[in-house]
Amino acid sequence: KNEVEQSPQNLTAQEGEFITINCSYSVGISALHWLQQHPGGGIVSLFMLSSGKKKHGRLIATINIQEKHSSLHITASHPRDSAVYICAVRGTQGGSEKLVFGKGTKLTVNP
Amino acid sequence: NAGVTQTPKFQVLKTGQSMTLQCAQDMNHEYMSWYRQDPGMGLRLIHYSVGAGITDQGEVPNGYNVSRSTTEDFPLRLLSAAPSQTSVYFCASSYAGVSYEQYFGPGTRLTVT
Repeated sequence: KNEVEQSPQNLTAQEGEFITINCSYSVGISALHWLQQHPGGGIVSLFMLSSGKKKHGRLIATINIQEKHSSLHITASHPRDSAVYICAVRGTQGGSEKLVFGKGTKLTVNP
Repeated sequence: NAGVTQTPKFQVLKTGQSMTLQCAQDMNHEYMSWYRQDPGMGLRLIHYSVGAGITDQGEVPNGYNVSRSTTEDFPLRLLSAAPSQTSVYFCASSYAGVSYEQYFGPGTRLTVT
């Protein structure tokens, strides 16, 4: 079983809608990343969280350590937000410098 | 800054051939890593390095070799290519480990026939 589960797998929205993508993990973590993979394949980092909430433009990421859950929100979605959004975590065991990735959520925003 | 660069962008190999995927970064990052991405699966760690001269195995290291002789470069060697190694390969780097922002290269699409 993958240690990192994302939901939904696929999401279609209309331009302007509020989007939520969820990430749940089964191990203790020290860091959680949200990444965006463009249709052309490139991957960029959106957020790195260890607690609380971060905001950048129309994107908001939250994490609840006790519930082992993080959400990525997109306000006023736009077709250019269409991409695959990937959650990745660093476990706390053994001081390992390794990330475990979810399978991604494919978002399509229609005009 | 060029960021993280990878060459080649595309490669076709025959089973049994060997090759090296190149990765370089100009941000003086200590941490570098190699991932493979396959359809329906998340990115999986192949090997990583926390600094020059130090490498370690990830989740799927078999069939791959790495070395880190300089801070800038982290090449990935396929020793004897197999069809199961058909994948998209990404190199990434960060300041000092996976608790820092990760910077990804553009990827190399490898097909082994």
